[in-house]
This record gives sequence, C-alpha cells and structure tokens, in this order.
Amino acid sequence: NAGVMQNPRHLVRRRGQEARLRCSPMKGHSHVYWYRQLPEEGLKFMVYLQKENIIDESGMPKERFSAEFPKEGPSILRIQQVVRGDSAAYFCASSPIGNTEAFFGQGTRLTVV
Amino acid sequence: ILNVEQSPQSLHVQEGDSTNFTCSFPSSNFYALHWYRWETAKSPEALFVMTLNGDEKKKGRISATLNTKEGYSYLYIKGSQPEDSATYLCAFNSGNTPLVFGKGTRLSVIA
Repeated sequence: NAGVMQNPRHLVRRRGQEARLRCSPMKGHSHVYWYRQLPEEGLKFMVYLQKENIIDESGMPKERFSAEFPKEGPSILRIQQVVRGDSAAYFCASSPIGNTEAFFGQGTRLTVV
Repeated sequence: ILNVEQSPQSLHVQEGDSTNFTCSFPSSNFYALHWYRWETAKSPEALFVMTLNGDEKKKGRISATLNTKEGYSYLYIKGSQPEDSATYLCAFNSGNTPLVFGKGTRLSVIA
C-alpha cells in the first residue's frame, strides 16, 4: 500500500507561469488536505477536499489558486501566474475519513524565479 | 481563527538528556490532538492521536499527555538520542475542521 504520492518533488517556474502540483492519496482514502510551508513558518492549511467536492477552502488565497479532487485521478493544486511569494513547500495529506489521522506526502518544493 | 502554539521554538539537548515541549490549543470544541515527527527532507510522520482528557500515550522513549480542559499537551522524550533530532509538530482539530498545525519545536540532540 503506497503512501501519499506527490509529484513533482521539485518544480521551478518563471514568474507568470502556471504551476500544477499533484497528489495521489493513499489507497482507500477519500479525504485530501493541502498545506503550505513558507520559510520559517509552520504548516498552513490551504484546502480540504473530498472526491469531487471542496469541503473547506478557507486557507486558500482568493486569486490564482485553485484545487480539485476529481472522481478519477489525483488531486491537483493549481497556481496561475505564479509570483516569487508563491515559492514554498506544498504538502498534501490524506485520510480515510474526515478528522482522523492524516498521512503526508513528501511535498513539492516550488521555486519561482 | 484557531491558534495552536508550540514552545519552545527550538531546543538543543545533550545525548542522554530527557526533554519535553508544549502544545497549547483552544480548549473549546475539542475533537483530537495529533503529534507528528518531521525529519528534514521527509514527510511528517504521525506519532500520536489523542482524544480523551487525561490521555497518556507512549511509543518507545516518547510519550505524550493531554489536558483538554486547559488546552495543552506535553511531549516527553526520555534519554534523547541523535536520531530523535527532528521538528515535532502538534495539530488540533475540532468538529469538522481540518488539522490546524503549530509551528513546531525543532529538537537537536548533540552526541
């Protein structure tokens, strides 16, 4: 049973480009969470999704950021027109049901140049 | 806005020393308190999930206690080893909210 898989592990984008980060949850998990870690900061919640539904996006910036978790395939965190301030490590976690122990992927480190 | 505070921010101890750190969280609408261990370049790894006031959990040399009425949890490491060096995160959730994390305590164990 593979763990939470995130890809790519490292992503470099120029300012103004789009970044797509993928997360495949553990088998049997239908709840996905995205967190962002900025330098010298802890993990900050961004969005909580179930299959085909956004449950809580209160931590997501209002513009340029979007997330989806389709019926088939991985969850995608999409950042349009990236800026230098988007450079961070983005972590995905999954759980079998809400509010239980979450299992983390190894993160995607986004660098905007 | 839920706030989870961890202290100290960082800690340096000698091999063999015992140590502990604190996680403070809102005492209302408590559902669960989670402790994670996060090594550099790896993903956070779950240590404990605690749900009951007065709960105490143990895994090897690491243990944790929980006080939901006053809103704090302690993590203890007995006889620290260099391999214990990591960032220890606590996370809180209430009802249907996702986990809210503290900034972590960065532990360095010096041989």
